[in-house]
Amino acid sequence: DIVVTQSPDSLAVSLGDRATINCKSSQSLLYSSNNKNYLAWYQQKPGQPPKLLFHWASTREAGVPERFSASGSGTEFSLTISSLQAEDVAVYYCQQYYITPDTFGQGTRLEIK
Amino acid sequence: EEQVVESGGDLVQPGGSLKLSCVASGFTFSVSAIHWVRQASGKGLEWVGRIRTKTNSYATAYAASVKGRFFISRDDSKNTAYLQLNSLKTEDTAVYYCARLNYGLDVWGPGTTVTVSS
Repeated sequence: DIVVTQSPDSLAVSLGDRATINCKSSQSLLYSSNNKNYLAWYQQKPGQPPKLLFHWASTREAGVPERFSASGSGTEFSLTISSLQAEDVAVYYCQQYYITPDTFGQGTRLEIK
Repeated sequence: EEQVVESGGDLVQPGGSLKLSCVASGFTFSVSAIHWVRQASGKGLEWVGRIRTKTNSYATAYAASVKGRFFISRDDSKNTAYLQLNSLKTEDTAVYYCARLNYGLDVWGPGTTVTVSS
């Protein structure tokens, strides 16, 4: 199985500052035939189901604020919030869907400093 | 509005069985793969399994932790997917979510709670 590891486990950032979450896969998620990385990012707020933020590693879902960006390829990926807002407090997960089982990272808890 | 709603969660004894349902609305269910994901209290997300579409032979796949005990099916005429949970263990206690696959899991239900305890 592909192991997906996020870092850090938790992160405290001041309002208006940048937050970056990393995601590392135990094998490449880049499918050569279509040049797509099979990685998604989710945001989960307390008491709510997860919300899809990005697919194909960097394609933003409709309605996701532009302060959120995602990048990376192969085995290393990142999610960045350029200017942290109070409503961004949540747990963030990456998930690989390159091969079954579609494993999630352990999650990164983002808080306000 | 595109949505899925889970139901069927309950308190069940170890070794027991339960069947969860996932009813979809607002989109063409028959062309959508459905995934199940669970989350134990205070823990992270764990992928449970998925079922593909008729075009893809209703192929299923499962996490190692549930393989041989859990089974996913679907009834496209009812816009419903099912998760049959057998030989339940205390470690299966979690909120169970179903979600639609669309280049990532883009429509999630509110979840249904399964508690396995004597």
